[in-house]
Amino acid sequence: RKEVEQDPGPFNVPEGATVAFNCTYSNSASQSFFWYRQDCRKEPKLLMSVYSSGNEDGRFTAQLNRASQYISLLIRDSKLSDSATYLCVVNVLGGYQKVTFGTGTKLQVIP
Amino acid sequence: GAVVSQHPSWVICKSGTSVKIECRSLDFQATTMFWYRQFPKQSLMLMATSNEGSKATYEQGVEKDKFLINHASLTLSTLTVTSAHPEDSSFYICSAGGQGAWETQYFGPGTRLLVL
Repeated sequence: RKEVEQDPGPFNVPEGATVAFNCTYSNSASQSFFWYRQDCRKEPKLLMSVYSSGNEDGRFTAQLNRASQYISLLIRDSKLSDSATYLCVVNVLGGYQKVTFGTGTKLQVIP
Repeated sequence: GAVVSQHPSWVICKSGTSVKIECRSLDFQATTMFWYRQFPKQSLMLMATSNEGSKATYEQGVEKDKFLINHASLTLSTLTVTSAHPEDSSFYICSAGGQGAWETQYFGPGTRLLVL
């Protein structure tokens, strides 16, 4: 089983739609969680951190369920500019820091 | 936000050549940097963790003699792909950030390597 799993998609949604991505992780010792966005042929950039209490940033809402070991990202009112690959990232701190990326979920917002 | 640079951004080389890629944190010090590789339409795969002043920690399946990592200062880590072959052609990205669990990782713009 992969350490971090995501549905690769693609998710093709019309502008204005609401779309949700899920991500599961296998290491119960994981300590911090993030969603990154990667545009085609570019480096990943932080979208938002995912806190236990859940957090919202504009049209984006992230939630964490530690008991079930999954993370979600909800995008409301999708824009064309939201088209990208969304990467779930899990961080484990032990003897050294280890950051694990999911395979990414591709989103295509259609006019 | 913090800035991480990589050089070069593009490399095209002949098989058997060694290629060095630099990763620099421009406005902060990074005791740890990470090196990733991404093949087309695949996810980022962590190759190794680069630790300033000590040996890098390699992920399972990554040949340490093939991918030499040197983290000589708090702002510079280098990855050398030794005797590169066509199967090493990939997008190599580094990241750097703080040590805390919630510290953001900042990524360099990546280096595209094409081995002919």
